[in-house]
Amino acid sequence: SQTIHQWPATLVQPVGSPLSLECTVEGTSNPNLYWYRQAAGRGLQLLFYSVGIGQISSEVPQNLSASRPQDRQFILSSKKLLLSDSGFYLCAWVRAGSDTQYFGPGTRLTVL
Amino acid sequence: QKEVEQNSGPLSVPEGAIASLNCTYSDRGSQSFFWYRQYSGKSPELIMFIYSNGDKEDGRFTAQLNKASQYVSLLIRDSQPSDSATYLCAVRWSGANNLFFGTGTRLTVIP
Repeated sequence: SQTIHQWPATLVQPVGSPLSLECTVEGTSNPNLYWYRQAAGRGLQLLFYSVGIGQISSEVPQNLSASRPQDRQFILSSKKLLLSDSGFYLCAWVRAGSDTQYFGPGTRLTVL
Repeated sequence: QKEVEQNSGPLSVPEGAIASLNCTYSDRGSQSFFWYRQYSGKSPELIMFIYSNGDKEDGRFTAQLNKASQYVSLLIRDSQPSDSATYLCAVRWSGANNLFFGTGTRLTVIP
């Protein structure tokens, strides 16, 4: 069976500090991978998606970046966090050839 | 601009009643429709999905598509307090690699 992991689960960071969030998927190959952000009381905002290693599509211009160094690993980064980066960050995966997304447990980021 | 719209609620129903959640979408060519449930502080979990060729029933849940009016519904029969959550509708536009989500409807089932 397939599982998706995200870490850390929670994170408190000062403004201007760097960020690295990791997402890994087990039990599948060549998945599509997605990063979303959900601000408090808001909907899901798609940040990045990837259809393969090294292939990243950005949906929203901002101070975040994403990388996919391995088939089942997706990383979200920032060099300098802003207060507005606070939120619930969700990674999702889709099996190759499907369009059903499954979400990881999420990382709750608070920028102070 | 392509949009997925949901009434934010809250929608309150008594225990045992039928809860009806609706979602409208703007792209007439959309082919896949998804319902997710999100408990407070947790990540969304898939309830069910349907394609443009018909409705679907799974236990107490039924998803219905009205292509002419461009909306998709989720019916929850025999609602339970454990169904209290935010329900997210998602649509895959034709030719897209990703889903577009509504902002969700908050459902409260009153014991």
